[in-house]
Amino acid sequence: DQQVKQNSPSLSVQEGRISILNCDYTNSMFDYFLWYKKYPAEGPTFLISISSIKDKNEDGRFTVFLNKSAKHLSLHIVPSQPGDSAVYFCAARGNYGGSQGNLIFGKGTKLSVKP
Amino acid sequence: KAGVTQTPRYLIKTRGQQVTLSCSPISGHRSVSWYQQTPGQGLQFLFEYFSETQRNKGNFPGRFSGRQFSNSRSEMNVSTLELGDSALYLCASSLGTAQLNEQFFGPGTRLTVL
Repeated sequence: DQQVKQNSPSLSVQEGRISILNCDYTNSMFDYFLWYKKYPAEGPTFLISISSIKDKNEDGRFTVFLNKSAKHLSLHIVPSQPGDSAVYFCAARGNYGGSQGNLIFGKGTKLSVKP
Repeated sequence: KAGVTQTPRYLIKTRGQQVTLSCSPISGHRSVSWYQQTPGQGLQFLFEYFSETQRNKGNFPGRFSGRQFSNSRSEMNVSTLELGDSALYLCASSLGTAQLNEQFFGPGTRLTVL
C-alpha cells in the first residue's frame, strides 16, 4: 500500500507560469516532508522540506504547502523555467515514539516546462 | 568535495546470476542507504548502513544484501537475479544517520536482467 502518493505521473507547464505538484500521504505518523528533483542520468537532489509544525516553507521560486488535516502537500514553482524540467519526488518520514523512520518516496511526477 | 560515486553505471546480467554494486560516499559521511527505483514503484528503501552496521532494512527478500567497510564504502549484492530486479539502484550518503541528516544521492547503477 502506497503511503506517499503522487497521482499525476506527468505535468506540462508553459515557461513563466506556475507549476503545482501534488502529493498525498496516508500515515499520520509522518512529521517531515521533502521534495527531491531528479534529472535523467543523475541521482535525486534535495530541493525543499517542511516540518509538520509548519504549513508553508519558501525558498526562492519554490514553496511547499502542507495541509495536515487533508494529509496533502504541494510544491509550487513560480515562475517555472525550462531548467525545472525533471522528475519530482515527494518523500515523507515518520516519528515513531521518538525514533525516526526511513524516507518513504512517492512514484514521482515528471514536470515538463515548455519555452 | 567529490559527490557520491557508484560503480558500475550500467550492468547487464542474466537470470540466476548474482551482482555486486559499489557505492563510495562523500568523504566524512558515515551512513550509506540503498534504494531501488522502478517505473512502477518509484524509489523504495532497501537498507541503510552506518559505521559498518546495518541499521534499517526495507521490505525486500533476503536475496538483497549489503555491507559497509571501515572507510564507509558500501556494496550491495543481489543473488539469483530475477527479471523484476531490473531497476536503477541508487545509493545515498549522509553525515550521520539517514533519518536525521540530509541524504546526497549518487547517479545510480542501471541494472538490466535478461
